[in-house]
Amino acid sequence: AQSVAQPEDQVNVAEGNPLTVKCTYSVSGNPYLFWYVQYPNRGLQFLLKYITGDNLVKGSYGFEAEFNKSQTSFHLKKPSALVSDSALYFCAVRAYGSSNTGKLIFGQGTTLQVKP
Amino acid sequence: DVKVTQSSRYLVKRTGEKVFLECVQDMDHENMFWYRQDPGLGLRLIYFSYDVKMKEKGDIPEGYSVSREKKERFSLILESASTNQTSMYLCASSRIPYGGENYGYTFGSGTRLTVV
Repeated sequence: AQSVAQPEDQVNVAEGNPLTVKCTYSVSGNPYLFWYVQYPNRGLQFLLKYITGDNLVKGSYGFEAEFNKSQTSFHLKKPSALVSDSALYFCAVRAYGSSNTGKLIFGQGTTLQVKP
Repeated sequence: DVKVTQSSRYLVKRTGEKVFLECVQDMDHENMFWYRQDPGLGLRLIYFSYDVKMKEKGDIPEGYSVSREKKERFSLILESASTNQTSMYLCASSRIPYGGENYGYTFGSGTRLTVV
């Protein structure tokens, strides 16, 4: 079955420290991977995506993600966390099936809490 | 610069009412999606549509229906609202994947529905 797992419900990090939000996936074809961020009472905003090419993908707000095919992972990272990064983060992967609609499968989400 | 618009940010309805949630996108996207978001459950797909007048059930379609009469508009209908449908509802749109590219979703700001 195709799926996305975010093993941590919450990640706590001090401001200025590096952060990592974990994501692993299982799909039946080439992995097209995405990260989205959600601030309170808002919709999801696109952060970055991996389609092909360099395993390190850079995105908005200083975030980056590392694609690791052998570990089927796509962890979100940032070298120095800000309090304003505190939000809910979703990892997603393209679903493969009979129709090529580009439907995404989402993880459960990880709450990132950055403390001053 | 808003590209996916959900008609209401907050909505309070009574049990048994018929409820319409509207979503409009101005990007000429083929795909449109309705999700509900609940704490601890992540995003769950209710219905999606990949063309006008086309619809497919997602993971939790019971108690819901949809309408897509025009490409830009995708409506979610709660036939008889119940308290267990109190949730955050998110609309999203995307382009059909083409030439190996996968465009991901653009989300609306969400509608927080309370059924009393």
